Amino acid sequence: QKEVEQDPGPLSVPEGAIVSLNCTYSNSAFQYFMWYRQYSRKGPELLMYTYSSGNKEDGRFTAQVDKSSKYISLFIRDSQPSDSATYLCAMSRSNDYKLSFGAGTTVTVRA
Amino acid sequence: DVKVTQSSRYLVKRTGEKVFLECVQDMDHENMFWYRQDPGLGLRLIYFSYDVKMKEKGDIPEGYSVSREKKERFSLILESASTNQTSMYLCASNPVRNNEQFFGPGTRLTVL
Repeated sequence: QKEVEQDPGPLSVPEGAIVSLNCTYSNSAFQYFMWYRQYSRKGPELLMYTYSSGNKEDGRFTAQVDKSSKYISLFIRDSQPSDSATYLCAMSRSNDYKLSFGAGTTVTVRA
Repeated sequence: DVKVTQSSRYLVKRTGEKVFLECVQDMDHENMFWYRQDPGLGLRLIYFSYDVKMKEKGDIPEGYSVSREKKERFSLILESASTNQTSMYLCASNPVRNNEQFFGPGTRLTVL
């Protein structure tokens, strides 16, 4: 079993829809949770960064962490065609710079 | 802005060749990482380095080695390239104050 599980999709939604992405993990020691966005033929770029449980909002993006269920989510409101990309979840333990990544979910927002 | 650059975007090599992938970061970051990315498998850590001349094995180090002679530069070496090393290779760096990693654009390596 992988340490971090993420449904690879693909996910196709109409413009303006809410995109819901999630990851589950098995290591209860994870404390830092991240979402990266990767456009085709580019390197990943950090989208959201959260510590421990709770919600974080940044514009159209909301990240949620539920440590009791070992489950993290990313919501994209009012999705745009420019949101079409692969979204990777990543997480790490305290005092550990190494990240464990999910496989990535490919999202297409149709105009 | 942090910039992580990789020496090549696309590379084609033959089986058995020695391959060098170079990564340079311009933000004085202490930590540097090499990953490979394959469909359905996500990013897998090959090697990482927390300081000059220091290196640690990641999850899949077999068939690879690394070199970090200067703080800003981290090289990945494929001693004898094989077809199963065809992949996208990503370099990343981060400062010691947090674990947000900044990625380069990647090198798509094809081994024939």
